[in-house]
This record gives sequence, structure tokens and C-alpha cells, in this order.
Amino acid sequence: DAGVTQSPTHLIKTRGQQVTLRCSPISGHKSVSWYQQVLGQGPQFIFQYYEKEERGRGNFPDRFSARQFPNYSSELNVNALLLGDSALYLCASSKDRNGANVLTFGAGSRLTVL
Amino acid sequence: GQQVMQIPQYQHVQEGEDFTTYCNSSTTLSNIQWYKQRPGGHPVFLIQLVKSGEVKKQKRLTFQFGEAKKNSSLHITATQTTDVGTYFCAGPRNTGGFKTIFGAGTRLFVKA
Repeated sequence: DAGVTQSPTHLIKTRGQQVTLRCSPISGHKSVSWYQQVLGQGPQFIFQYYEKEERGRGNFPDRFSARQFPNYSSELNVNALLLGDSALYLCASSKDRNGANVLTFGAGSRLTVL
Repeated sequence: GQQVMQIPQYQHVQEGEDFTTYCNSSTTLSNIQWYKQRPGGHPVFLIQLVKSGEVKKQKRLTFQFGEAKKNSSLHITATQTTDVGTYFCAGPRNTGGFKTIFGAGTRLFVKA
């Protein structure tokens, strides 16, 4: 079985642009969470989606948005990019929606904003 | 708000030495998870502790969950170069929706 897949793996954008990151969870997993990891820090929670609905949101501005599709895949969108948005964006899937579930992470999308 | 803190931030050891990282939560946790991230990689789940005072072992790794379920530790016996990476503890947020909060991690360097 495939693990969590993310695309693209690397991308470079300029300030003010918009970016869309994609994630496919493990088959059978209905929950997808998005994390931002800045170099040298722990993953910071952005969103959790379960059954196509937002179930949790972190302290990120409205420039960040996400959605989950009927096949449980997900997209993270970031508008009006800032230099500080440069980070590794991690998608994690889990079987259920509660915090007791183990997270399986994808390899991440490394975003560089110039 | 709820915080998960880890110490030390970095640890340099000689191969064969022991290593311990400590995790403290500002609130009681229903469970705690540990993840390892190799340089250039992504976090990989190691273990989950649920019960107060629980101790679990994985070969040279020993994980403990405190009696008050607010702290945890990871101890590695006789480190090897393959142990290099950053170790994160993580716990579920107690209120306001579902999310798992990560500590800042302890980065382990092992010198051969």
C-alpha cells in the first residue's frame, strides 16, 4: 500500500504569489492534517480535515485555506505569499479524527518564497 | 495556550554513550506520541503512551509517561550513528477541536 503522498516535492515562488499543495492519504484513512515546519522547529498545526469538513484550525492567517475531497485527498492553498511562508509543509493522515490517532506523514512539500 | 516543551534543544554524544530527551506539557495529556525525523526527512511515528506511569521499550529505546501524564522521556542506550535525527514528542490538544501539538524537538548528533 502506498503511504501518504504529497506534491510537489519542491517549489519556488515569489512574494505575493499563490501556491496549492496536494496530499493523498493512506487508503482507508479519512483524516488529513496539515503542518508547517520551519527549519529547526517542530511541526506547527495548520488544519485538520475529516470527512470533508474542517475539524481543527491552528493560528495561521486567512491566507491559508484547505479543503478535502470525497476521496479524502486534500489541498492546502496559501495566498499572497510572504518570505516567512518558506517552510516544509507536511501532510499527515490518520484513521480517525481524534487526537489519539497516530499520524503518518508524507515526505512534505518544500516551499521557498523569494 | 497549551504548550509542549522539550529539553535539551541539541545533544552531542559520542557513539556508545546514552541519550535522554525530556518532554513537558502545560496540561494533562490523554496520550503522548514520539516521532523521529532524520535530517532531510519527515517525522516518523515511534510509539504512543497512554497510561499513567507507562514504560515501553523498543530495543535500545525506552519511553516513559509520567504519573501525572504531563511529562515524558525518551532514553536511548548506547547510541549509534543511525540514531541521528530530531526526536519530537507530541500530544493532542485538550480543547477547541482536534489537533496534535508537537514540541520543538531535540536534535541528536552522534560522533563515531
